[in-house]
Amino acid sequence: GENVEQHPSTLSVQEGDSAVIKCTYSDSASNYFPWYKQELGKGPQLIIDIRSNVGEKKDQRIAVTLNKTAKHFSLHITETQPEDSAVYFCAASNLPLKLTFGTGTRLTIIP
Amino acid sequence: KAGVTQTPRYLIKTRGQQVTLSCSPISGHRSVSWYQQTPGQGLQFLFEYFSETQRNKGNFPGRFSGRQFSNSRSEMNVSTLELGDSALYLCASSSSGGARETQYFGPGTRLLVL
Repeated sequence: GENVEQHPSTLSVQEGDSAVIKCTYSDSASNYFPWYKQELGKGPQLIIDIRSNVGEKKDQRIAVTLNKTAKHFSLHITETQPEDSAVYFCAASNLPLKLTFGTGTRLTIIP
Repeated sequence: KAGVTQTPRYLIKTRGQQVTLSCSPISGHRSVSWYQQTPGQGLQFLFEYFSETQRNKGNFPGRFSGRQFSNSRSEMNVSTLELGDSALYLCASSSSGGARETQYFGPGTRLLVL
């Protein structure tokens, strides 16, 4: 089955700096890669996703890149703000609605 | 539109008991997936339902079961609870269950087994 590795497990950045989280996946058939943000006491919230026919996608301060050859994808957050502090999960899917998640990255924005 | 709702939000049970959790998807969504989240194992896929049929199943024992009703609402049942079943149980819905479709998560039900 699919296996997703996520790094780093914790990340601290100064407010205003950029943060990058990286994930690798094992199943070359995976074709959908969402990123979720989870705040304390809440369910995961989709922040951006990318499909296999696209190499990069951007939404304001958030961008995701996908390298299908190397089987890795990354989340980039620019101009970080205190409200960006949360746990971020990457995921991959090769079957209808069966997501395999990474282990999460706890992002802390230092004011 | 209202988001995914889950009830109850918190639950305390003892070993050996059974529990039923409920999930109401976003209006118009027909696919519902369930996940278990624990500090040790992270987010793990339990099963997915579409039009009242289970289409995919994760690697969980038979004590974990689910069903979906004609209005797309879904329930998850865990029988003979074990301490290790303590977790946050999350439900996610999507429109038609396509392979690359966005899933929207509910707030979860936090289950504590004593």
